[in-house]
Amino acid sequence: DAKTTQPPSMDCAEGRAANLPCNHSTISGNEYVYWYRQIHSQGPQYIIHGLKNNETNEMASLIITEDRKSSTLILPHATLRDTAVYYCIVRVPWAGTASKLTFGTGTRLQVTL
Amino acid sequence: DVKVTQSSRYLVKRTGEKVFLECVQDMDHENMFWYRQDPGLGLRLIYFSYDVKMKEKGDIPEGYSVSREKKERFSLILESASTNQTSMYLCASSVFYSRRLNTGELFFGEGSRLTVL
Repeated sequence: DAKTTQPPSMDCAEGRAANLPCNHSTISGNEYVYWYRQIHSQGPQYIIHGLKNNETNEMASLIITEDRKSSTLILPHATLRDTAVYYCIVRVPWAGTASKLTFGTGTRLQVTL
Repeated sequence: DVKVTQSSRYLVKRTGEKVFLECVQDMDHENMFWYRQDPGLGLRLIYFSYDVKMKEKGDIPEGYSVSREKKERFSLILESASTNQTSMYLCASSVFYSRRLNTGELFFGEGSRLTVL
């Protein structure tokens, strides 16, 4: 699995958009970009994933650059409950017989009033 | 909703004790995983299993073993606990990936915080 680079921390005002960047310059053609988040004292939670097209769901939007070497997770209207550690992971979900995720240290997003 | 249940949220054990961490999922998932999480190191994969009685080492298997006798249950075993195994342990499960059917996402339990004295 390709490695990712994320800033260790970010702040965002409540109600504003939170844009969390991720670099994955060594991503291969069949690797997807996944985002998870972990709220304090809970297990990680899936947010969204994509291959090359931008994706949106009820939680967030994912913007992947055309060369696929970086991506941005967007929380359009951040709330205090979005305070968490956000992990960007790249992987081939069907690789082998078990598709493991390798997590880095993520970005700690602090949403403030 | 998928539910992944870990048997204990908090455990305190002594050095040298044998420790069992149990994980049960209720969605008939083929894949199950054990991670440990430490400050500054993120989540690191210990072992995973893609079927009953099947297991594969992750990135940090030393000092651990696992057991998967039933599809819904995946146990992490510390044969002789040591202080450097004090950590948060997270279990996860996922369906065997199908491009047509699912996203390949992992579902995590709430975690088990183990302290070894």
